[in-house]
Amino acid sequence: EAGVAQSPRYKIIEKRQSVAFWCNPISGHATLYWYQQILGQGPKLLIQFQNNGVVDDSQLPKDRFSAERLKGVDSTLKIQPAKLEDSAVYLCASSLVYRGLGTDTQYFGPGTRLTVL
Amino acid sequence: AQTVTQSQPEMSVQEAETVTLSCTYDTSESDYYLFWYKQPPSRQMILVIRQEAYKQQNATENRFSVNFQKAAKSFSLKISDSQLGDAAMYFCAYRSETSGSRLTFGEGTQLTVNP
Repeated sequence: EAGVAQSPRYKIIEKRQSVAFWCNPISGHATLYWYQQILGQGPKLLIQFQNNGVVDDSQLPKDRFSAERLKGVDSTLKIQPAKLEDSAVYLCASSLVYRGLGTDTQYFGPGTRLTVL
Repeated sequence: AQTVTQSQPEMSVQEAETVTLSCTYDTSESDYYLFWYKQPPSRQMILVIRQEAYKQQNATENRFSVNFQKAAKSFSLKISDSQLGDAAMYFCAYRSETSGSRLTFGEGTQLTVNP
């Protein structure tokens, strides 16, 4: 079974530029998550999709971050314009169901390391 | 809001020895789940072990086991017969049904395994 795919693996941009990250979840997984992991910290949820609908974006800085999940499969996370504090690893994860099953496991991709200069 | 605290930024262990990583959490919920994830230098988070709060029995997965103390809100991970491949950052994480599927992570513990 193929895992969660993310691209690019690394990205370096200057502040005020825009950037986009792509995620392809495990086939058949209804729920997709984007986490931000700042160096030295644990991941923090940015946004969560159930199929192609948003179920939690309470921690997404909506003035500069946006995300979409087309047709309930692939997802793109965009930052525009980027700030220095956006330097982090952006992790995508997917799970089979949304809630109700405590044993539902989130599977993570390898992440994209973003450096904003 | 739920919080997860890992008080050991770094730990080291000799190969074949046993090490215990600590985690405490704060919640007012009664129904929740706790996890330990491993993150090697490749950055990919890998689930190590999972514990349901309603289960009194501590979870075990091969060389990995937990000590779940619900009243104390403590959830430690024990790694037995440590191997070089166990070296990684370990994160404790919490999830409750009221927070949907959102995982709340601790700050992590960097584990070094010495040959």
